[in-house]
Amino acid sequence: DVKVTQSSRYLVKRTGEKVFLECVQDMDHENMFWYRQDPGLGLRLIYFSYDVKMKEKGDIPEGYSVSREKKERFSLILESASTNQTSMYLCASRGDIGSYNEQFFGPGTRLTVL
Amino acid sequence: DAKTTQPTSMDCAEGRAANLPCNHSTISGNEYVYWYRQIHSQGPQYIIHGLKNNETNEMASLIITEDRKSSTLILPHATLRDTAVYYCIVRGNTGGFKTIFGAGTRLFVKA
Repeated sequence: DVKVTQSSRYLVKRTGEKVFLECVQDMDHENMFWYRQDPGLGLRLIYFSYDVKMKEKGDIPEGYSVSREKKERFSLILESASTNQTSMYLCASRGDIGSYNEQFFGPGTRLTVL
Repeated sequence: DAKTTQPTSMDCAEGRAANLPCNHSTISGNEYVYWYRQIHSQGPQYIIHGLKNNETNEMASLIITEDRKSSTLILPHATLRDTAVYYCIVRGNTGGFKTIFGAGTRLFVKA
């Protein structure tokens, strides 16, 4: 059973804290993604990675950074958390081979910044 | 990747077919149409995808117009558990193409 796991379902942090959100996939996928989801705005892409140590900015990268040291793990980092980063964060992975590239999502991390 | 336009919300009676439209007028020749849905408090789940032919699987049917500028997702016999947000996405199928999700259509299936 394929799986994308995220380190926490719920997280509460204080303004100014450094926050790490971890995502692990067991499908040997090349591509991994971080989205945030806010009411009425759908899913917005923060960063994605198409290979180890490779990363590209999505639509809303400001205030975030990422790390991909191993193929199976993609971390999202909030260097100094702010209240406007309170959101649902979703990780996803996708393979590269063949014409069929379903994207698999994790369960999400609901982050609250106080 | 091309952008999509979907209605904000739709209602459907339980047991009836739910037809969810999507416009993607700027789709290019190598881009596929994908549909995902997101049930409350879960991550999005893949439903179906297609290039230019109509497709059917155990969950739904996908009808793509001949000019590929729009498509319709059909849930043939909607149930209460089909209440969710449905996302229509177009993207290339190789490499690191990022996937752009819009706001989707919130489908309410009513008893």
